[in-house]
Amino acid sequence: QKEVEQDPGPLSVPEGAIVSLNCTYSNSAFQYFMWYRQYSRKGPELLMYTYSSGNKEDGRFTAQVDKSSKYISLFIRDSQPSDSATYLCAMSPQGGKLIFGQGTELSVKP
Amino acid sequence: DSGVTQTPKHLITATGQRVTLRCSPRSGDLSVYWYQQSLDQGLQFLIQYYNGEERAKGNILERFSAQQFPDLHSELNLSSLELGDSALYFCASSVDGGASTGELFFGEGSRLTVL
Repeated sequence: QKEVEQDPGPLSVPEGAIVSLNCTYSNSAFQYFMWYRQYSRKGPELLMYTYSSGNKEDGRFTAQVDKSSKYISLFIRDSQPSDSATYLCAMSPQGGKLIFGQGTELSVKP
Repeated sequence: DSGVTQTPKHLITATGQRVTLRCSPRSGDLSVYWYQQSLDQGLQFLIQYYNGEERAKGNILERFSAQQFPDLHSELNLSSLELGDSALYFCASSVDGGASTGELFFGEGSRLTVL
């Protein structure tokens, strides 16, 4: 069993839809939770960062962490075609190296 | 542009060969990480260096080795290559080894194809 599980999709939604992306994990030592976005033929870039449990909002993006359920989510409101990318969850127990989920490929259709 | 530079961008070689991938971290970053990305395995952590010293090791094969030089650039050496080594190899850097913000800055990757 992988430490971090993420549905690889692909996920296709119409423009303006609310997108929900999720990851589960097994290591209770994880404290740092991140979402990275990766466009085709590019390296991943940090989108959202959360320490421990709770919610964090940044514009159209909201990250949620539920440590009791070992479950994290990323919500994208009013999705745009430019949001089409692969979204990777990543986690770390103490900073430093990150353990990534497999990534979910998202396509937002105009 | 993340500021992390990786060369070469593309590499095609044959089984049994050896290749070297190079990474220059962002200016001021002391830590370098290597990741392998394949379709079936996703992004897999290989190894981390901090200021020239190995800091953490992941699923790195014995045929693979890495080092970080005094000028902080890093090289990943892959030897006795097999078809299954075909993948995207990413280098990332961060200011410190702990990377408390969680932000790793990734290069654009080196795509290795083993024929």
